[in-house]
Amino acid sequence: SAVISQKPSRDICQRGTSLTIQCQVDSQVTMMFWYRQQPGQSLTLIATANQGSEATYESGFVIDKFPISRPNLTFSTLTVSNMSPEDSSIYLCSAWTGWTEAFFGQGTRLTVV
Amino acid sequence: QQPVQSPQAVILREGEDAVINCSSSKALYSVHWYRQKHGEAPVFLMILLKGGEQKGHEKISASFNEKKQQSSLYLTASQLSYSGTYFCGTGYSGGSNYKLTFGKGTLLTVNP
Repeated sequence: SAVISQKPSRDICQRGTSLTIQCQVDSQVTMMFWYRQQPGQSLTLIATANQGSEATYESGFVIDKFPISRPNLTFSTLTVSNMSPEDSSIYLCSAWTGWTEAFFGQGTRLTVV
Repeated sequence: QQPVQSPQAVILREGEDAVINCSSSKALYSVHWYRQKHGEAPVFLMILLKGGEQKGHEKISASFNEKKQQSSLYLTASQLSYSGTYFCGTGYSGGSNYKLTFGKGTLLTVNP
């Protein structure tokens, strides 16, 4: 099974600034995703991180606000840009090893003040 | 299309059984099941890919009824460690079937 390291685990940021979240997997995976989860709520897919190409964003999420990189099969970053208090949430990366297993990172709890 | 999970919450005594259902209004390609404890990340339980497929994981098993467009998670002889919120994530036939849409979750509480 794969192990995902996500950092930072939490941060408090000033509005208008940007935060980059890193997700490192200890083995090569086929798919990587970024989710957002409000406390006590379900998970909402932000985008699929495509290796070597632009991410595929879901409705309501745009590249200018949430730029994503995936330079190789084990690493991805999500940047939350020009933050506002509405961006306060838990951000999670997820990775799939084919169609057999799927994993989440520990999440980044972001508070924007 | 967000899948519908039922029940929203269930309270058990240790050793009792529970069933959590996940229903979709669209044809399903896959169903993922996760358990999330408060303040932690979701933990993967299993993926079901084929209609009629059943899988087991210790005392936790699941079925996938493709025709009914639903999946059920079965927890038998529940343990205290089973407490948490259970989410199903569904992938849909056609197009990007790898993208999961998660249900709102089922809060399971197991008491001594």
